[in-house]
Amino acid sequence: GNSVTQMEGPVTLSEEAFLTINCTYTATGYPSLFWYVQYPGEGLQLLLKATKADDKGSNKGFEATYRKETTSFHLEKGSVQVSDSAVYFCALSPQNTGNQFYFGTGTSLTVIP
Amino acid sequence: EAQVTQNPRYLITVTGKKLTVTCSQNMNHEYMSWYRQDPGLGLRQIYYSMNVEVTDKGDVPEGYKVSRKEKRNFPLILESPSPNQTSLYFCASGRTGWANYGYTFGSGTRLTVV
Repeated sequence: GNSVTQMEGPVTLSEEAFLTINCTYTATGYPSLFWYVQYPGEGLQLLLKATKADDKGSNKGFEATYRKETTSFHLEKGSVQVSDSAVYFCALSPQNTGNQFYFGTGTSLTVIP
Repeated sequence: EAQVTQNPRYLITVTGKKLTVTCSQNMNHEYMSWYRQDPGLGLRQIYYSMNVEVTDKGDVPEGYKVSRKEKRNFPLILESPSPNQTSLYFCASGRTGWANYGYTFGSGTRLTVV
């Protein structure tokens, strides 16, 4: 079946620290992979995506590389800011289907000044 | 502005009193879906719709109904709400080939059933 496993939080970092949030997946074929961000009191926003192996998605200083060999899509940022405090969700869309998205449980990040 | 609009944002109701949460999108998306978000469980899909008059169950459809009479609207109906339906609900929409583009989400509806 299809599933996404994220590292559990909460994660607390100091400003300018390096961030990694691990995400691994189980899927048949070649799914598309996504990271969504949810700021307090808001809906989810697409942060970045990758649709095939070895693709690197990037946005707002965040990056994630689609690793087929390790079935991973870890989120990284070199220097976090207080404004990055949010909940981050890893998600996959199975190949050739249009009916479901599979989300991880979310990782809460708090960045302190 | 392209967006998914949910109403209401907050709702407190009593057990058994029918309610409807509305969802509307202005992007001409074919695909729409409802999710509920609960602590430790992430987002779970309730129902989805591939197009007008086409709906199907997600992972947790029990106690919910939906309809898709128009492309832009996808209301979520709770015929007889129960306390275990207290949750944060999100509507989302996507365009053709959405698997490569991702969803657009509404801002959420926080429902409390007492």
